[in-house]
Amino acid sequence: EADIYQTPRYLVIGTGKKITLECSQTMGHDKMYWYQQDPGMELHLIHYSYGVNSTEKGDLSSESTVSRIRTEHFPLTLESARPSHTSQYLCASSEWQDGYTFGSGTRLTVV
Amino acid sequence: GENVEQHPSTLSVQEGDSAVIKCTYSDSASNYFPWYKQELGKRPQLIIDIRSNVGEKKDQRIAVTLNKTAKHFSLHITETQPEDSAVYFCAANPNTGRRALTFGSGTRLQVQP
Repeated sequence: EADIYQTPRYLVIGTGKKITLECSQTMGHDKMYWYQQDPGMELHLIHYSYGVNSTEKGDLSSESTVSRIRTEHFPLTLESARPSHTSQYLCASSEWQDGYTFGSGTRLTVV
Repeated sequence: GENVEQHPSTLSVQEGDSAVIKCTYSDSASNYFPWYKQELGKRPQLIIDIRSNVGEKKDQRIAVTLNKTAKHFSLHITETQPEDSAVYFCAANPNTGRRALTFGSGTRLQVQP
């Protein structure tokens, strides 16, 4: 089934660790996004991509990096996790000017 | 950049009543306005969207209206049911600059049975 998949669903990690959140979509969408969301709260754009080898920063990008080497894959890396990174991370994809399909999210806890 | 304001932040209605959620946007170049529903512990789901060349769109019990002159758009839910209880987000997609959705802050809708 065509969808967007995020792993892991839940992650508890120690301060200072490097982590990569995985996101893959099987819909052939060119555009992909990462948003940060505290439960039920506003979505904040972290990074987005128009296609392979294209990445742009959002509002909360300063402490993370992304890559887009393949159309279907858009991982997010935190170089040094901090307790302030505790949140839910949502990946999404879309056709140009169309609504997003969101993944189920990764709930990250940094202790 | 785009700024989207959403009101109210919480809304409680009786089952069968109507609910209205309003959003305003700042960038007159924005041309796409989706609405998402997020149930507790689940991913946001697209429920309806409208483009700038249309003033109103309806899908069964939900409808969206757009006033480009005033730069506001609204979600209308009629004959509300308990399963409509969720957080609803509006969003706007500018046609220039950063072409990623800017979301409103969300409205928590509670439908009382």
